[in-house]
Amino acid sequence: EADIYQTPRYLVIGTGKKITLECSQTMGHDKMYWYQQDPGMELHLIHYSYGVNSTEKGDLSSESTVSRIRTEHFPLTLESARPSHTSQYLCASRTENYGYTFGSGTRLTVV
Amino acid sequence: KQEVTQIPAALSVPEGENLVLNCSFTDSAIYNLQWFRQDPGKGLTSLLLIQSSQREQTSGRLNASLDKSSGRSTLYIAASQPGDSATYLCAVSRTDSWGKLQFGAGTQVVVTP
Repeated sequence: EADIYQTPRYLVIGTGKKITLECSQTMGHDKMYWYQQDPGMELHLIHYSYGVNSTEKGDLSSESTVSRIRTEHFPLTLESARPSHTSQYLCASRTENYGYTFGSGTRLTVV
Repeated sequence: KQEVTQIPAALSVPEGENLVLNCSFTDSAIYNLQWFRQDPGKGLTSLLLIQSSQREQTSGRLNASLDKSSGRSTLYIAASQPGDSATYLCAVSRTDSWGKLQFGAGTQVVVTP
């Protein structure tokens, strides 16, 4: 049973729309991450957080933004979606002893 | 900059054979290494986590080794089954406090009945 939840699972949206991808975890982990994965390609870190009110940009430049108002919640927002944002977005949390736990991902298509 | 390489890129074996998946990394200053499984269009499932001080980890039919000095890890899957068909990803965590992961491109495994 997943301890980290992402919604929606799939999303098709028109260009210019604002979208928020939800990520929640029930494990009380401080460290959370967003990775982006294009089909058949490697995962790249786009955002991370070390706790409430802490957010940083990752290695891959992204036009998305994140917030961390509560420990369990780490949403990702695109203010104006474009076809170049079409990708899979994976949320994860981490502990020192157990490593990373990933959600099921959101597959975003911008038309 | 840390680079993670996985060889082979794809592998097809008959059911019952043992699988050997290789991962190499260029910077030995890692915090830990984690193996994941990814099914098509799905998220990642953690298989094994090896801390930098450890040499190997085992879980059921899975065994992963780590040689930091040579920058290598190997994932062994014994007696493969069709349900093992998936992409296997290796990822190393940096030693800085953020623990960001650097992923390899993965090995796509097909186990034929």
